[in-house]
Amino acid sequence: DGGITQSPKYLFRKEGQNVTLSCEQNLNHDAMYWYRQDPGQGLRLIYYSQIVNDFQKGDIAEGYSVSREKKESFPLTVTSAQKNPTAFYLCASSRGPGGREAFFGQGTRLTVV
Amino acid sequence: RKEVEQDPGPFNVPEGATVAFNCTYSNSASQSFFWYRQDCRKEPKLLMSVYSSGNEDGRFTAQLNRASQYISLLIRDSKLSDSATYLCVVYPGGGADGLTFGKGTHLIIQP
Repeated sequence: DGGITQSPKYLFRKEGQNVTLSCEQNLNHDAMYWYRQDPGQGLRLIYYSQIVNDFQKGDIAEGYSVSREKKESFPLTVTSAQKNPTAFYLCASSRGPGGREAFFGQGTRLTVV
Repeated sequence: RKEVEQDPGPFNVPEGATVAFNCTYSNSASQSFFWYRQDCRKEPKLLMSVYSSGNEDGRFTAQLNRASQYISLLIRDSKLSDSATYLCVVYPGGGADGLTFGKGTHLIIQP
C-alpha cells in the first residue's frame, strides 16, 4: 500500500540531545513537509521541500534541520537549540507545490524529559 | 487578522442532526481549499477538496464563497463517528510555502 510512514510513534529526549524523526513516502510525491502541532493549536510549518536536494524554511524553522537526499525521505532533526520541542510532529507529502492536497503520516509524539 | 479562522467549538450536536460550520480566510488570492478531519491524537486526513461550484460527497457538502472569503462544511444526518476536529485548509497561492491550516472546529455528536 502507498503511504507515508513516520517513525518512531513516540520519542523521549533528554534536554540537550538532538533527535531525528524519520519520514518516508512511497507515493512518488515531489513535495514533502514537516509540521508541528501543539495541544489545542493548529499546524505550523517547520520546513518543506519541493524537490530532492532542496528545502526551505517554514514559519518556525529555528532549532530544526532537515535533509532531502532522496525523493522518498525527508528526516527532521530536532536540535538542542529548539527551546520547547515537546509536541506532535507531522510529516506530509503532496504531488507538487501549488496547493495540491497533502497526505499525512501518523505523526511522532516527542516528549522532552 | 489571522489567515484562516475557525470557531473552535465545541459544537455539541444530537445524532441525526445537520450541522454546519464556516471558516474565513484573509487572503483574497487564495487558490485552493480543503477540509481535513483530525481525530484525537491522530494525523489529519483529507475529507474533501472545496471547489468553486461547491461539491458534495455523501452526507458532506462543501461550499466556497469567494466574495465573502469563507468556506463552509455541512454534515447531514450526523453519526457518532463524525465526532472529530475539522480543519479548514487554504493554499494562499503566489508561491506560498504550503498549506495554511486553521486551528479546527471540534464537533461532538451525542447519542
